[in-house]
Amino acid sequence: DSGVTQTPKHLITATGQRVTLRCSPRSGDLSVYWYQQSLDQGLQFLIQYYNGEERAKGNILERFSAQQFPDLHSELNLSSLELGDSALYFCASSVSGGGSTDTQYFGPGTRLTVL
Amino acid sequence: GDSVTQMEGPVTLSEEAFLTINCTYTATGYPSLFWYVQYPGEGLQLLLKATKADDKGSNKGFEATYRKETTSFHLEKGSVQVSDSAVYFCALRTVDTGNQFYFGTGTSLTVIP
Repeated sequence: DSGVTQTPKHLITATGQRVTLRCSPRSGDLSVYWYQQSLDQGLQFLIQYYNGEERAKGNILERFSAQQFPDLHSELNLSSLELGDSALYFCASSVSGGGSTDTQYFGPGTRLTVL
Repeated sequence: GDSVTQMEGPVTLSEEAFLTINCTYTATGYPSLFWYVQYPGEGLQLLLKATKADDKGSNKGFEATYRKETTSFHLEKGSVQVSDSAVYFCALRTVDTGNQFYFGTGTSLTVIP
């Protein structure tokens, strides 16, 4: 158990809908990262938040957004969902917002299925 | 840009066989290198890491040495067990690229008794 929690574990929805994925980082960790894992694109970094502020942005679509709240939990919002958004979405957390040695700890993931 | 290339899978080995999973990287700065493991139905877990050239990361019988001259970080284990069956990801992270993690495509390992 990494200490990172994600809810829900599974989510099934229809095209065009909007969903929110939630992540609680390990106690004491200030950074939260979101990743998308799909069969065709592998593990892709989406976005990082550090202590409430956006720190780095990867391959995140404009239909997707995220935020980190004062209690440090984070939410990833996915809107106008398409079939291709079906994937595993992982959250990870780390102690600091930078430093190449900063280790990320991953949650169990949310499996999103868009029908 | 920064990237990681892993050997293609899947890999199938008999129990107690020797394991090597190749990983090479391209980086503009001085990366830290990581191996993560993903067991079926679970998230990624850090297996080991190395933060500078010639460092050796080790954990649970797995080892990998940071080779700057060959830009490699191959994962090895002398004697695999059925419980090692999982997907293994090589990753790098550099300060120069905003501390983003770049992951390889993953290598699936199945160990048969």
